[in-house]
Amino acid sequence: GAVVSQHPSWVICKSGTSVKIECRSLDFQATTMFWYRQFPKQSLMLMATSNEGSKATYEQGVEKDKFLINHASLTLSTLTVTSAHPEDSSFYICSAPEVMGGEKLFFGSGTQLSVL
Amino acid sequence: KQEVTQIPAALSVPEGENLVLNCSFTDSAIYNLQWFRQDPGKGLTSLLLIQSSQREQTSGRLNASLDKSSGRSTLYIAASQPGDSATYLCAVRRGSNYKLTFGKGTLLTVNP
Repeated sequence: GAVVSQHPSWVICKSGTSVKIECRSLDFQATTMFWYRQFPKQSLMLMATSNEGSKATYEQGVEKDKFLINHASLTLSTLTVTSAHPEDSSFYICSAPEVMGGEKLFFGSGTQLSVL
Repeated sequence: KQEVTQIPAALSVPEGENLVLNCSFTDSAIYNLQWFRQDPGKGLTSLLLIQSSQREQTSGRLNASLDKSSGRSTLYIAASQPGDSATYLCAVRRGSNYKLTFGKGTLLTVNP
């Protein structure tokens, strides 16, 4: 199946700093990628949909200025958590369909963010 | 708003047992339902995908069923192994926009 590579796997940062998470489709082109957040023992919640060549679409309640999404190419989407605070500590994971219109979504390995 | 519930939240069984994980959803107008496996601190691995028109799917020791009208799905694992220990997530997709609604998962521990 398709491979979605996500980096870093984990990151610790100080409060107030920014953190960038990368998500790459390794063997296919992803015109759309999805970013999820998961708090401990909670469901994965969709944060935003990243679209190559256009602005991301954010879910209700997700701050656009805090979670900057850039879909720079057909194989790379990035999520930047700006001015991170301890409450942003969470597991972030991206996903993409191998083929638009295809049935399955493929997920990255996730990034555990800890903000001190 | 779609809500997905998974029962039980955690399950511990001895190796070799057959087991059933349950998933229920409130809105039966789904496009498909997918079962995932998540290992600690890792991403998701798709196990089985059932289209809304299907009743079940099988892969090896795994069998997933879907009763759309009642809003239920089950994941049956036969002859469980310690390597099956993980969190199992159920997710429903409403339409063609790929948005998934996840349950909180069932943490499965298979003891040797």
